[in-house]
Amino acid sequence: GQQLNQSPQSMFIQEGEDVSMNCTSSSIFNTWLWYKQEPGEGPVLLIALYKAGELTSNGRLTAQFGITRKDSFLNISASIPSDVGIYFCAGRTSGTYKYIFGTGTRLKVLA
Amino acid sequence: NAGVTQTPKFRVLKTGQSMTLLCAQDMNHEYMYWYRQDPGMGLRLIHYSVGEGTTAKGEVPDGYNVSRLKKQNFLLGLESAAPSQTSVYFCASSYKGLAGGRIEETQYFGPGTRLLVL
Repeated sequence: GQQLNQSPQSMFIQEGEDVSMNCTSSSIFNTWLWYKQEPGEGPVLLIALYKAGELTSNGRLTAQFGITRKDSFLNISASIPSDVGIYFCAGRTSGTYKYIFGTGTRLKVLA
Repeated sequence: NAGVTQTPKFRVLKTGQSMTLLCAQDMNHEYMYWYRQDPGMGLRLIHYSVGEGTTAKGEVPDGYNVSRLKKQNFLLGLESAAPSQTSVYFCASSYKGLAGGRIEETQYFGPGTRLLVL
């Protein structure tokens, strides 16, 4: 089945550093969603994007809807230990109710 | 407001046994989904529903059935469990509507059901 290409697969960073990750697709999306999942929990919605070029922030997190509508980016500024988890992107194409998920970026923050 | 809840949280089955996973949401969302999550595979859509009484196949529907008799509930059934169905199952619900003058949508997940098939 179709999946989004999400990169990097994993990241080890020092506390205080900024983090960037992205998702790319062969399809044009109308909606991009970014989630965080912690061990033993369900994914939690962080940011939703609806328009090409849109830039949306949620605290230290900022996500962008790519202009081509085939990619999206998530940045985390000044990372802290509680940022640890797996970050997923998800996208939805026009005319469908289904979301396609990326394979996730596993983030580890070293104190 | 409990959001999306799932029962049970954990279950062990023997090959060939059947079971039903229950998902409930109290947000009056129209759309509901069942996903499975396996290591390195991300989330894969099993079945989904766009409203009460409707269901549709997702990416990996074989071996599963679903029903949406009430808007707030979405049931996932395994008629004859197989070891390949060992996974973590997540239910989600979503909403699409007008907010701040534009169409917005969100998808919220439950805490998951961990299923082990021996």
